Amino acid sequence: KQEVTQIPAALSVPEGENLVLNCSFTDSAIYNLQWFRQDPGKGLTSLLLIQSSQREQTSGRLNASLDKSSGRSTLYIAASQPGDSATYLCAVRNNAGNMLTFGGGTRLMVKP
Amino acid sequence: NAGVMQNPRHLVRRRGQEARLRCSPMKGHSHVYWYRQLPEEGLKFMVYLQKENIIDESGMPKERFSAEFPKEGPSILRIQQVVRGDSAAYFCASSPGTLLVEKLFFGSGTQLSVL
Repeated sequence: KQEVTQIPAALSVPEGENLVLNCSFTDSAIYNLQWFRQDPGKGLTSLLLIQSSQREQTSGRLNASLDKSSGRSTLYIAASQPGDSATYLCAVRNNAGNMLTFGGGTRLMVKP
Repeated sequence: NAGVMQNPRHLVRRRGQEARLRCSPMKGHSHVYWYRQLPEEGLKFMVYLQKENIIDESGMPKERFSAEFPKEGPSILRIQQVVRGDSAAYFCASSPGTLLVEKLFFGSGTQLSVL
């Protein structure tokens, strides 16, 4: 059974810092991995999708990497801004099924 | 092109009542997924449907919960005889097809509160 863990659970940084969020998964037989952003009381916004054959994806100030063999992904946020404050969720899609397995999320606070 | 639409945004029910949550997928999407987010917990898969078919309901409680995605109209998640433990945010996601490489697009969720 796939299990996804995100560390840290919460993170508070001053504006302008570069930061890294971590995601690990127990079953490396994944089809893809997706990073989402969730704002309080709202739905999920997809940030980046990495296929199992890829090593990284970039979008603006965001860079996500994938090391499938070690069961790890990182989300790098450059030059953080207060508007980046949200919960970041990592989710993997296994070869065997259609559902996503989510981590518990990292709650990020960027202080002005 | 509207995104995934869920309604209502907030639903309050008393114990024992029925709750109906609706989800209209993105235009052109024929696959719908329901997830539940309990307070202070991550999202958990409930059910995966295509038009008129339940493909995978392995995450859905065996009793009181049911889901459908008719040929016409939105997908419905139905909870009968609600209990306080059903209070959660229920999210719907959609995708255009069966390829595992596809992204899922999520709605804004329905917050169910059981009094």
